[in-house]
Amino acid sequence: GAVVSQHPSRVICKSGTSVKIECRSLDFQATTMFWYRQFPKQSLMLMATSNEGSKATYEQGVEKDKFLINHASLTLSTLTVTSAHPEDSSFYICSALRMNTEAFFGQGTRLTVV
Amino acid sequence: DQQVKQNSPSLSVQEGRISILNCDYTNSMFDYFLWYKKYPAEGPTFLISISSIKDKNEDGRFTVFLNKSAKHLSLHIVPSQPGDSAVYFCAASGDTGNQFYFGTGTSLTVIP
Repeated sequence: GAVVSQHPSRVICKSGTSVKIECRSLDFQATTMFWYRQFPKQSLMLMATSNEGSKATYEQGVEKDKFLINHASLTLSTLTVTSAHPEDSSFYICSALRMNTEAFFGQGTRLTVV
Repeated sequence: DQQVKQNSPSLSVQEGRISILNCDYTNSMFDYFLWYKKYPAEGPTFLISISSIKDKNEDGRFTVFLNKSAKHLSLHIVPSQPGDSAVYFCAASGDTGNQFYFGTGTSLTVIP
């Protein structure tokens, strides 16, 4: 099956610093990628839709200046959590669309802000 | 407003028996549905999908049924195996797939 690689799988950072998470589609091109955040005991919350070559579309309530998304190529989207705070600690997951139909997920990134 | 609902947060099934996970949706414009499986501390993995032109899709032990009039879909796993123990999410999309709406998940436990 299609492979989406997310890196890093775990990261611990100090409060106030920035963290970049990468999402790569390894064997297909993805013009659209999604970034999700999972809260404990809750479903995945869509944060933003990332489109190659254009600005990301953010969901209501998601701060675009805090969660910077860049989709520079057809195989790579990055999410940068800027000026991270402990409340940003969560599990972040990306997914990439293949042929605009099936979505394949990365393995997720556990972010802990201390 | 939750457009995709999984009303059973958990389900326990004996090994070898059938597991039935249910999902309801409210938006009649949804035309593509997916099931994902998620193990603890891992990202969800795609399991099986169905488009609205079908009412059934089968892949090995997994079968998804779609009842458009009832806005209901279900995932059948038969026979259930202990390795199937995971959280199962259903998701729906209404256009070319540019946004998916997820249910809250059902935690399946298959008892050996």
